[in-house]
Parts: sequence; C-alpha cells; structure tokens
Amino acid sequence: AQSVTQPDIHITVSEGASLELRCNYSYGATPYLFWYVQSPGQGLQLLLKYFSGDTLVQGIKGFEAEFKRSQSSFNLRKPSVHWSDAAEYFCAVVPGGSYIPTFGRGTSLIVHP
Amino acid sequence: GAVVSQHPSWVICKSGTSVKIECRSLDFQATTMFWYRQFPKQSLMLMATSNEGSKATYEQGVEKDKFLINHASLTLSTLTVTSAHPEDSSFYICSAAQEANEQFFGPGTRLTVL
Repeated sequence: AQSVTQPDIHITVSEGASLELRCNYSYGATPYLFWYVQSPGQGLQLLLKYFSGDTLVQGIKGFEAEFKRSQSSFNLRKPSVHWSDAAEYFCAVVPGGSYIPTFGRGTSLIVHP
Repeated sequence: GAVVSQHPSWVICKSGTSVKIECRSLDFQATTMFWYRQFPKQSLMLMATSNEGSKATYEQGVEKDKFLINHASLTLSTLTVTSAHPEDSSFYICSAAQEANEQFFGPGTRLTVL
C-alpha cells in the first residue's frame, strides 16, 4: 500500500526566510502528487500538483515543488515566507487511475515576525 | 472553476439528535464524492466514497448506520450523522471528483455535539 511521509510535525521560520517542507512517498509507480494548505477551521486549498512533465511545479502564493523520482520526494518550497503562510500543509498522493488520495500527517508552519 | 460548497459551515446540536450536512459541486458534475473526518491536529480520514445513484462505500471502522450518505444527484451529496453523541464532534470535509486523479475539497463543517 502506498504511504506518504511528512517527517516534520512543526516547522518554525522567521518572516522573510526561505521554507522547505518535506514529503516522501512509497509507491511502485509514479503517482499524482499534491500539496494542500489548510488554515484553522477551513477546508483544503490546493497549492500545486504534479501529474507529469516538468518536475519543477509552480503553484499559487509563490510556492513551488520539485518532484524527484530517485528520492520519491515532492518537497514544497517558498523563497520568502509571509506571516499569512502560517497554516497546516498536507502532501497527498493519488495512484494513477484512482480517485482517492493518501494524505501525509501534515506539517504545521509557524511564522515568527 | 471546480468549486465545492458545504452547508452548514458549523452546527451545534444536542446529543441524540441527527444532523445533515450538504456537499455541492457548484460548477461541475461530480461522478464521485467523498466524505472525510478530521480530528484536531490530525490529517484527513476518509469515511466513505459515494457515486451518484448508488450506495456509498464505507471505509473500515465507519458505521454506515450512523453516518448515512445520500448522493442524489451529480452535484449533491449529503452526510447525516444520526443520533449524534459528543464523540461525533469533529470537522467534516467533503470533496468531489469529476474524473480520476484529482479531488476538489469543500470548506468543511464543524460539528459540535453537546
């Protein structure tokens, strides 16, 4: 069965600093990969997704993610974090042809002024 | 495009009553809709998958008689929590898929059972 690992439960950064959130997956073939953000009491908002093609994916709010097949990773990055980026971030994996994602446990981003 | 709404956004009810939550795909027809439950500080837990006009498929450990799911049309699915108890208090999120590989998520419903 596929699994998704987000090794960091919490990450704290200063406003303006760069950010990288890690995501590793375990699956036989290359799945479809997603990053979502969730603010307190809100639903999930899609930041970006990777289906195929260019392994560096640009998303909303200045986020990007890079798919590395050799490392089974899909890490999320942002060059300069804003206080409004404080939220919970979820990585998700969907096997090809499936409807149902497997979510990582989430990483809570804390931004210090 | 691909907007999913949920109603209500929050609800408080007395123990023993039933609560219905609606999930609508506003600008597309969803072949499949999903219901998730999320506990504080945790990830989403899939409860069930529903296809229009057929019975929902429940995940292991989810009581189908307690969490009734109806998928009456390609744009509407409802989750009814029957005889709610305080332990049913949670954040419920629905999602909808038009085709395989990607779901679109609703804003969630906060249920508090007193």
